[in-house]
Order: sequence, then structure tokens, then C-alpha cells
Amino acid sequence: EAGVAQSPRYKIIEKRQSVAFWCNPISGHATLYWYQQILGQGPKLLIQFQNNGVVDDSQLPKDRFSAERLKGVDSTLKIQPAKLEDSAVYLCASSRRRGGAPTDTQYFGPGTRLTVL
Amino acid sequence: SQQGEEDPQALSIQEGENATMNCSYKTSINNLQWYRQNSGRGLVHLILIRSNEREKHSGRLRVTLDTSKKSSSLLITASRAADTASYFCATGGGTSYGKLTFGQGTILTVHP
Repeated sequence: EAGVAQSPRYKIIEKRQSVAFWCNPISGHATLYWYQQILGQGPKLLIQFQNNGVVDDSQLPKDRFSAERLKGVDSTLKIQPAKLEDSAVYLCASSRRRGGAPTDTQYFGPGTRLTVL
Repeated sequence: SQQGEEDPQALSIQEGENATMNCSYKTSINNLQWYRQNSGRGLVHLILIRSNEREKHSGRLRVTLDTSKKSSSLLITASRAADTASYFCATGGGTSYGKLTFGQGTILTVHP
């Protein structure tokens, strides 16, 4: 089966500009996750969707970050306006079961590397 | 915030040697998972161990879990150059279904 697709793979912007990332999960996967991975650290969950509803967005900086998952399939993550500290790799993952059961395997996309100048 | 802490931060070995990485965590868990990340294949799930299990094997991988010490170890036997990557432990469970909290990772370099 096809894996998780993300685009773009790389993005360079200046601070205060806006940027959007796109994710297409594995077909049939109910749960979708966005992670932020700063260089030298492990991924940090930003938001989790079950179908098109938000399950957990406790670590999403809502003053500048937004995400949606229309029709419970594709998802976009937006940053507006970007700050220098947003430079990171943004990873999208999906898992099969509704609600993302604790033992459900998450499948990750290749990520988008964002550089904010 | 990061839940797990991996030790060592970096490990360099020769092909054929065994590699051991450790992970410590702070809160109670439902399960602990190990992931590998390299530039070619992104972040890949390796193995999951549930909180009521003590040891699990998968091919050349052996994972142990000690919930009393809140720690886990990943052993890779007979390492290969292709095992060169960053390895992360991630804890799951509690009330946040599906949420994984990753550690900072161990960078493993296997020299041919």
C-alpha cells in the first residue's frame, strides 16, 4: 500500500510569512497526527485528528498554528506568521484505528523541512 | 515536553558488534515503542512492548521493559552498516489515546 505522502519536502521562508503543509494519509486510516521535530530532538505531537475531528491539540500554538482535515482524509497544517523558532521538520503520521488506540502503529511520512530566516 | 530520555546520546560501533540503547521515562505508560529514523526512510516503527510485558524479540532486536524502574532497553545484535540511524523510544497510553511522547533519541553509527 502507498505510504503517507507529504508536500512540499522543503520550504524556506522569512519570518512573519505564512506557510502551509499538506498530508495525505494511508488509505483507510482513521487517525492522523502532525508532529514537529526540532533538530536534535524527538518529534513532538502538535495535533491529532480522528476522521475530521480534533482529539488532541494541547501542544499546538494556536495563536499562529492551525490545522484542518476536511472530509476526514487529507490534512493541511498552516503557520501564520512564522517565527525563527518554527524552523523544524513537520511530520505527518496516520494510524488505522479510530481514536488511535494506544497500541496502534503510527506510519510516518517523509516530513517537510521548514527553514525560517 | 519530552517524556523519555535516551542514553547514550550517541553510540559508535563496528559492524558485527551489538548495540544497546536505554530509555527512561517519568509517568505510567500503556506501552513503549521504538522507532528508527534515517534520512532515507524517515521515521519507522520497530517494535512495541506493552506495560505487562518484560521482554520482546523481533529479528535482531530485543527490547526489555522494567516498569518499576521506568526504563527500557533496545538491543540490536550483529549490527550492520545499514543500522546507522537515530533511534527513539516513545511512550504511549494514559487517557490520550494514540498519543506518543518521544525521547530525544540515540544516534547510532555502525562502521563497516
